[in-house]
Amino acid sequence: SAVISQKPSRDICQRGTSLTIQCQVDSQVTMMFWYRQQPGQSLTLIATANQGSEATYESGFVIDKFPISRPNLTFSTLTVSNMSPEDSSIYLCSVDGLASQGAQYFGPGTRLLVL
Amino acid sequence: RKEVEQDPGPFNVPEGATVAFNCTYSNSASQSFFWYRQDCRKEPKLLMSVYSSGNEDGRFTAQLNRASQYISLLIRDSKLSDSATYLCVVKDYGQNFVFGPGTRLSVLP
Repeated sequence: SAVISQKPSRDICQRGTSLTIQCQVDSQVTMMFWYRQQPGQSLTLIATANQGSEATYESGFVIDKFPISRPNLTFSTLTVSNMSPEDSSIYLCSVDGLASQGAQYFGPGTRLLVL
Repeated sequence: RKEVEQDPGPFNVPEGATVAFNCTYSNSASQSFFWYRQDCRKEPKLLMSVYSSGNEDGRFTAQLNRASQYISLLIRDSKLSDSATYLCVVKDYGQNFVFGPGTRLSVLP
């Protein structure tokens, strides 16, 4: 499986500010995914980040709030814009596994608290 | 109805017990199925893929019933280290992952 790192691992931010989360993979991957896991909840897909094209957002998530970049096949960023306390969550990136029937592998997550 | 549903839990079992988790999914066109485990404050990690014929990996056995849209995970001889939240995950025809709410397991000494 790929080795995935995320920065920052955690942050405490003031409402109204923005935070950019980085996701780095040790191998080239076609698709990268961004998820949100709110406290006590399961994972919800925010968007799929494709290299060379616009990200594809799931219902309830918009580009203005969660802009995504995918400059190459090993890196992506997710920005949480104009944050409010409701954005306090763990944000995880993932990639498709090359084997294992298309399972996804996750980064360690970014724990965000918005005050 | 939620796309993926799981036993609400939590399950509290003694060491050495056998425990079974159930999962149902609503989209009959779903393609692939997985069990993940998530430890507290950690990312989900793939436990096993679930194949149509059922599959076993050591103490873990997964079963799939496409007709009933039902997936199960059996853990035999539970260890303290099995304590975690177990997530049922379904991959639909659009290649999207849909996560169940998870079932928390606590194995007690």
